[in-house]
Amino acid sequence: AQKITQTQPGMFVQEKEAVTLDCTYDTSDPSYGLFWYKQPSSGEMIFLIYQGSYDQQNATEGRYSLNFQKARKSANLVISASQLGDSAMYFCAMRELDSGGSNYKLTFGKGTLLTVNP
Amino acid sequence: DGGITQSPKYLFRKEGQNVTLSCEQNLNHDAMYWYRQDPGQGLRLIYYSQIVNDFQKGDIAEGYSVSREKKESFPLTVTSAQKNPTAFYLCASSIQVTGELFFGEGSRLTVL
Repeated sequence: AQKITQTQPGMFVQEKEAVTLDCTYDTSDPSYGLFWYKQPSSGEMIFLIYQGSYDQQNATEGRYSLNFQKARKSANLVISASQLGDSAMYFCAMRELDSGGSNYKLTFGKGTLLTVNP
Repeated sequence: DGGITQSPKYLFRKEGQNVTLSCEQNLNHDAMYWYRQDPGQGLRLIYYSQIVNDFQKGDIAEGYSVSREKKESFPLTVTSAQKNPTAFYLCASSIQVTGELFFGEGSRLTVL
């Protein structure tokens, strides 16, 4: 079973509108972390936002917010007021303890390609 | 400036040759990771290491080998046993507490 599922291979949004990118996860580690990264066509990986499993409030960073629904095991990224420069691949990732129980590993989803239209 | 340096950025090799990709970090991070990225596959974990002289296999370790002799360095060798080595390889490091990954710029390997 996949640890991180991103069901939207591609998304389109009009400039200045908001968009939600979906992410669901699966883990038995009670102390996990969820991340979103952006990858422009240049290939660099840019950290956007982090949510810890025990955090009571949804994380926000500027125009990015994370809609964390723990019971549903979902961690959707919301981008408000989209800009042309937001066009990129977006990856959801989860940090959890590995099967040995003493090392952390990060697992990524397959990504969503966001295109912002003018 | 602190960061992660991967080299080379582009590499071409013939089938059957071993290749070593370099990854160096000066962020004083304990943990280091190697990922492989193929179109439509996202990032898949090859190997990771939390401390010097110790490392663990990730989800797709077959055909790869690593070493962690120094905290700053985590080189990846793509061996001739790797069936389909052409890919984009990303190295990352992280602080243990937060787990946020800091990535290098990647190495694109093409096997001819």
